[in-house]
Formats: sequence, structure tokens, C-alpha cells
Amino acid sequence: KAGVTQTPRYLIKTRGQQVTLSCSPISGHRSVSWYQQTPGQGLQFLFEYFSETQRNKGNFPGRFSGRQFSNSRSEMNVSTLELGDSALYLCASSGDRGHTFGSGTRLTVV
Amino acid sequence: GQQLNQSPQSMFIQEGEDVSMNCTSSSIFNTWLWYKQDPGEGPVLLIALYKAGELTSNGRLTAQFGITRKDSFLNISASIPSDVGIYFCAGQLPYSGAGSYQLTFGKGTKLSVIP
Repeated sequence: KAGVTQTPRYLIKTRGQQVTLSCSPISGHRSVSWYQQTPGQGLQFLFEYFSETQRNKGNFPGRFSGRQFSNSRSEMNVSTLELGDSALYLCASSGDRGHTFGSGTRLTVV
Repeated sequence: GQQLNQSPQSMFIQEGEDVSMNCTSSSIFNTWLWYKQDPGEGPVLLIALYKAGELTSNGRLTAQFGITRKDSFLNISASIPSDVGIYFCAGQLPYSGAGSYQLTFGKGTKLSVIP
């Protein structure tokens, strides 16, 4: 089975811009979750999609959004970037036995 | 919301020593998971625990799911240099049937192994 693929691995954006990150889950997994990881806050849950529907959302502003396609691939979007959005964004493909994480997208906002 | 208290925050140990770290919560979790993260990579699942009182081993790693379902510990025996990394505990609420697998993470334990 192929693992979880996240693209791109690294991104540098300017304040005010928007960004779209992509995640392809493990084949057959219908649930995709997104997490933000920063040194200060640790791993924080952003949202979760299951069969193209958002099932759960963390405590993040509306600038953070996502979607899931019929092939289970997911994207997350951050609009009007702020310096504090700099983080490692992790996607997880979920089944009955826990999450399998991708390698993440390192976003730097300058 | 739920919070996990993971301790210690960091550890420096000699190669060959045993290591112990733990997580506690004010909430009951249905599943406890232990992950390891290397720099620049996503967390990798080490051990998953599904039943209160369950003790599970994976090589030199042993983890237990507390009887109260509010705590878990991870032990690493005979540490080696490649054990270096950040270890996270995570709790998962009972599967609601609505497809939610949301995890709540501890802040991590950074392990350094001195050769």
C-alpha cells in the first residue's frame, strides 16, 4: 500500500497571500484529517473529512478551510496568510487502527 | 476541550538505559496511541492500545492503557541512538459512527540518547 502523500513538502508565502495544500490518503481510506504543528502549540486538530463531508472541525479561524474529493484526496486552503500560520501541516489517513501521517508540508509565511 | 498532559517534556539518557514517559487526561479515551516523530517527518505510529488495562509490546517498546482510561505510559528498554526523537501520546474518543477519528495529542517528550 502506498503511504500518505502530501504536496508540496515546502512552501514560502508572503503575508496576505493564500495557499492550498494537497493530501492523498492510503488507498481505501475514506477519512482524512489535517493537523497544524508548531513548537508552541504542538499538534492541533484542524478538520476531518469523511466521504467528502466535513465531520469535525477544530478551533481555527474561518481562513482555514478544506475539502475532500470523490477519490478521497483532500486539500486544505489558508487565505490571507499571517506570520503565525507558519507551521508544519500534517495530513493523516485514518482507518480503524489509528492515523497514518504524511511527511507534512512546511509552510513559512514571511 | 480535552487535554493530554505528557511528561516529561524532555529526557537525556545514556545509551542502554531504560526510559519511561506517560500521559494523563481529564477525559476518558477509547484508544490510546503512541507516536514517534523524527525531524522533518510526520509522526509514525509505534503502539496502539484499545482496551483498559491492555499491555502491548513492540520490540523494546511497551505501552499500557490505564484502567481508568485516562492515562497511558510508554517504556523503552535498552535505549539506542536511533531512539532519539519526539514521542507523542494521543487519545481517541469512542468512534461515534459518524466517521470521526479525531485525535488529541500530548505536547511530546523529546528524547536524547547519549552514546
